Amino acid sequence: DTAVSQTPKYLVTQMGNDKSIKCEQNLGHDTMYWYKQDSKKFLKIMFSYNNKELIINETVPNRFSPKSPDKAHLNLHINSLELGDSAVYFCASSQRTGDRAFFGQGTRLTVV
Amino acid sequence: QQQVKQSPQSLIVQKGGISIINCAYENTAFDYFPWYQQFPGKGPALLIAIRPDVSEKKEGRFTISFNKSAKQFSLHIMDSQPGDSATYFCAASSRVAGSARQLTFGSGTQLTVLP
Repeated sequence: DTAVSQTPKYLVTQMGNDKSIKCEQNLGHDTMYWYKQDSKKFLKIMFSYNNKELIINETVPNRFSPKSPDKAHLNLHINSLELGDSAVYFCASSQRTGDRAFFGQGTRLTVV
Repeated sequence: QQQVKQSPQSLIVQKGGISIINCAYENTAFDYFPWYQQFPGKGPALLIAIRPDVSEKKEGRFTISFNKSAKQFSLHIMDSQPGDSATYFCAASSRVAGSARQLTFGSGTQLTVLP
């Protein structure tokens, strides 16, 4: 059983399109995250949700909108995709007061 | 502003050698320091972690050394193996928004262990 699963694993799309990435965790964690890993492998947090409430919202273009229908799911919707959005996006989860984060396998987004 | 600085960017060692990766932080609010290991095509996975009340933690071939006064910590991989070849990230955690916590990552070190 995959603890944190993301779909799709690969996403190739044209500039200007809107796309979504889905994430689900079966660990019973109450906090979920989205991280962006750029071409130099630098990992930067984008959002954090706890029990469907947004608690961390780093400086990210408002074209990026996270949505958490329940505490086991955190989806990422991206409007008007740009070339610079190309990266690997990781979903992760942890307990709110826990330090260990469990990461999904990543979604490689390529904007052409 | 990079709150956790990691070096070197890449490291090549021979099988059986010692790999050493260093990190430094600025924010004294950090109180938990994990290391993550990432293989190509995979997400980062926790390798070992330390809290600032101890100076060293060892798990198998992996050891973290922590210097609170210098705000530095390092990962030592003893008897490095080709299977250790991966990208290693140091990180630091602090409390945000009540009891929630946030991880800040270093820039990563690409380790290659030659057979």
